[in-house]
Amino acid sequence: AQSVTQPDIHITVSEGASLELRCNYSYGATPYLFWYVQSPGQGLQLLLKYFSGDTLVQGIKGFEAEFKRSQSSFNLRKPSVHWSDAAEYFCAVGAGTGFQKLVFGTGTRLLVSP
Amino acid sequence: DAGVIQSPRHEVTEMGQEVTLRCKPISGHNSLFWYRQTMMRGLELLIYFNNNVPIDDSGMPEDRFSAKMPNASFSTLKIQPSEPRDSAVYFCASSPVERGSSGYTFGSGTRLTVV
Repeated sequence: AQSVTQPDIHITVSEGASLELRCNYSYGATPYLFWYVQSPGQGLQLLLKYFSGDTLVQGIKGFEAEFKRSQSSFNLRKPSVHWSDAAEYFCAVGAGTGFQKLVFGTGTRLLVSP
Repeated sequence: DAGVIQSPRHEVTEMGQEVTLRCKPISGHNSLFWYRQTMMRGLELLIYFNNNVPIDDSGMPEDRFSAKMPNASFSTLKIQPSEPRDSAVYFCASSPVERGSSGYTFGSGTRLTVV
């Protein structure tokens, strides 16, 4: 069965510094991969997604992610973090018939220090 | 479009009471999903519907939980009787069935507290 691991529960980054959030997936074929962001008390917003093609995917708010099949990873990056980026970030993989279901990782909480 | 609409936003109820959560999907989206978010278990799929038909309810925790989709524009998730361990944020999402997980739009969630 598909699964997702986010090894970092919390990450603190200084404002203006670069960010990388780690995500590893378990799936035999080419997965459908997603990154979502959740601000406190809010719903889930899609940042970006990967299905096939170019392994470097651009998303909203200046985020990007790189699919690396050899490492079963889909890490999220941002070159310069803003205080408004403080939130919880979830990596997810499409699963089940027609990849209709989303299987989420446990999330990484990003704290941004001044 | 107004997006996926969930009501209520917050619900506080006493143990043993019946709780009904509501969801209105985006017009034209024929798949609907109910997820639950807790500190202990994270985000987990409870049930999903295609064209108003339940497809996979393997995530429904126990018989106290039930979900219906009587028409394309409305779904309910009912807990009867409610227990404190049901306290969580419940999210509804909808998608065009042909897009699967790539077409999700999530609602803002219902925060349920059972005391």
